[in-house]
Amino acid sequence: GAVVSQHPSWVICKSGTSVKIECRSLDFQATTMFWYRQFPKQSLMLMATSNEGSKATYEQGVEKDKFLINHASLTLSTLTVTSAHPEDSSFYICSARDNVGLAYEQYFGPGTRLTVT
Amino acid sequence: QKEVEQNSGPLSVPEGAIASLNCTYSDRVSQSFFWYRQYSGKSPELIMSIYSNGDKEDGRFTAQLNKASQYVSLLIRDSQPSDSATYLCAVNKGGSYIPTFGRGTSLIVHP
Repeated sequence: GAVVSQHPSWVICKSGTSVKIECRSLDFQATTMFWYRQFPKQSLMLMATSNEGSKATYEQGVEKDKFLINHASLTLSTLTVTSAHPEDSSFYICSARDNVGLAYEQYFGPGTRLTVT
Repeated sequence: QKEVEQNSGPLSVPEGAIASLNCTYSDRVSQSFFWYRQYSGKSPELIMSIYSNGDKEDGRFTAQLNKASQYVSLLIRDSQPSDSATYLCAVNKGGSYIPTFGRGTSLIVHP
């Protein structure tokens, strides 16, 4: 149980284009999903908290107009990197919290490696 | 002081030994504590969660929590080379679903 998928697993795009990353909880419902970014050999950086049916909450320093988050259902959240630039190249990872009870555990997706050329 | 601190390592142990990973946190109202394992190039995987003082065992893994001293540790018994990874400590403040992650400790288990 508690499986989270991400698609695509890797993507290469040209500078100035937009990229959409999907995060799905496959066997549980997730009111809350999280989006992280991780640069090589660095720690996880929380970008935003995605809540089903409401606007995402962005961490300080994360541009909400550049990183668009949509959480339209209890099993799907999407992150769109708009007008991507080479400095946006990173490993993007989503995680989801199981709605059951007071569960605080997060389950991570396999990540999406974005390369902007 | 960082909210969640871990020694970056690497911690090197021989195969079959006990690996001890430590994590301290600064916020006394923290209530939920987690250990994740992250292999190079992969996403984190939840290993253990612990909410109460004391020990919690799951197979070769034991999580230890001491809220008075504000530390949480992970012991890995009979370490295997496949345990070589970065171990992330995560802490939730009371009532919050948003964890704060440490920078991780790199563990190397050599044959």
